[in-house]
This record gives sequence, C-alpha cells and structure tokens, in this order.
Amino acid sequence: DAGVIQSPRHEVTEMGQEVTLRCKPISGHDYLFWYRQTMMRGLELLIYFNNNVPIDDSGMPEDRFSAKMPNASFSTLKIQPSEPRDSAVYFCASSFGATSYNEQFFGPGTRLTVL
Amino acid sequence: AQSVTQLGSHVSVSEGALVLLRCNYSSSVPPYLFWYVQYPNQGLQLLLKYTSAATLVKGINGFEAEFKKSETSFHLTKPSAHMSDAAEYFCAVTRGSGNTPLVFGKGTRLSVIA
Repeated sequence: DAGVIQSPRHEVTEMGQEVTLRCKPISGHDYLFWYRQTMMRGLELLIYFNNNVPIDDSGMPEDRFSAKMPNASFSTLKIQPSEPRDSAVYFCASSFGATSYNEQFFGPGTRLTVL
Repeated sequence: AQSVTQLGSHVSVSEGALVLLRCNYSSSVPPYLFWYVQYPNQGLQLLLKYTSAATLVKGINGFEAEFKKSETSFHLTKPSAHMSDAAEYFCAVTRGSGNTPLVFGKGTRLSVIA
C-alpha cells in the first residue's frame, strides 16, 4: 500500500484565498483524522471521521474551516477565506477498527503558508 | 481530560550514549499510550505503543518504553544513540475509549552529537 497520500505537499497562497487540502487514506481504513501542527500549539486535532461520517469537529477553529469525506477513499479540508494565522502543517491520518490502541498512519503533511 | 507532558523540548546526547525522553500522562480512563517519531519534512511514524498487555514495550529501531502507573509515566529509552535517531519525538495518549483521536505532547527534539 502507498500509505496515506496528501496533496499538495506545499501550498503558498495569499490572505483571503480559498485553500483545499486533500487526503487519500489507506485502503480499508474506516477512521480518518485531520491534525494541524504549529510551533505555538503543537499537534492538535481538527476533525475526525468514522465510515465517512464526521464524529467530532470541535477542533475546527472557525467557520472558515470545513471538511468533507464524500467516500471512503477521499477527504478534503477547506479554508475559506485563508488568513496568515492558518499557516501550519496539516496532517491527515487513517486507522482501522474500533479499539483504542489502533495505530494511526500519518501522511507526509501539507505545509501551508498564507501570506 | 487526557493529556501528556513531555519534559524537555530539546535533548542532546552523544553518539553511543543512553537516550531518555520523558513523558508523563494524565488520563481519566485506562490509558493507551504511544510514542511517534517525526523526521524532518515527514509525517509521524509509530515507534511503539502501550496497550496494557505488558508494561515494558519494545518498539522499532531499538527503542523501548516502560509504563509506570504509580508514576503516571511512559518514558522512552534507547541504550545507544545513533546519528540517525536525530528527530522529533512525540508522546501521545488516546482521548478516550474506542478509536479516538490522539492527544499529543509538545514534542522533544533529539540531537545526536558525533
């Protein structure tokens, strides 16, 4: 398996523009997580899905952020409009099964810079 | 709420020396604990995990960690550091029962000096 795939790897945009980050989880995995990594706040959860259904989006910072999972093999995280404080590395992770100790497999991340 | 605290944002060791990265946790439910490693410009990779089966957990690349309930600790060790161990290390705990998101510590950057 190719692992979790994220695109783009790097994104540079200007404030006010719409940004869409994409994630393809590992085939067969039924959980998908979006995390954000910043120097100030470290790694924090934004939202996660189970069987394509959002379970907890309490980590989404504002209404400017939205995430979808239209099918088991694709998810998007959208920021509209983007702001400089959204600059961060965004990770997607996937895992399989309902037990508490299942490994989450992380993608390489998307480094977002908002000017 | 579950949380982890990693003591020391930066640890520097000589090649061949013992590596000790500290992690303390707080959890209202029996914890499941993880150590992940992040190499520059890469995603996180699982080193090892505690699932209550054994208190001493062995992971990849010669790392191990011991779960100590009385100390609420899950420190990561490696007997002899290699240059290739230089990376960022994250301790994490599951948020609750079932497959739930991870709550991460702030991370510890490990430098290995030749």
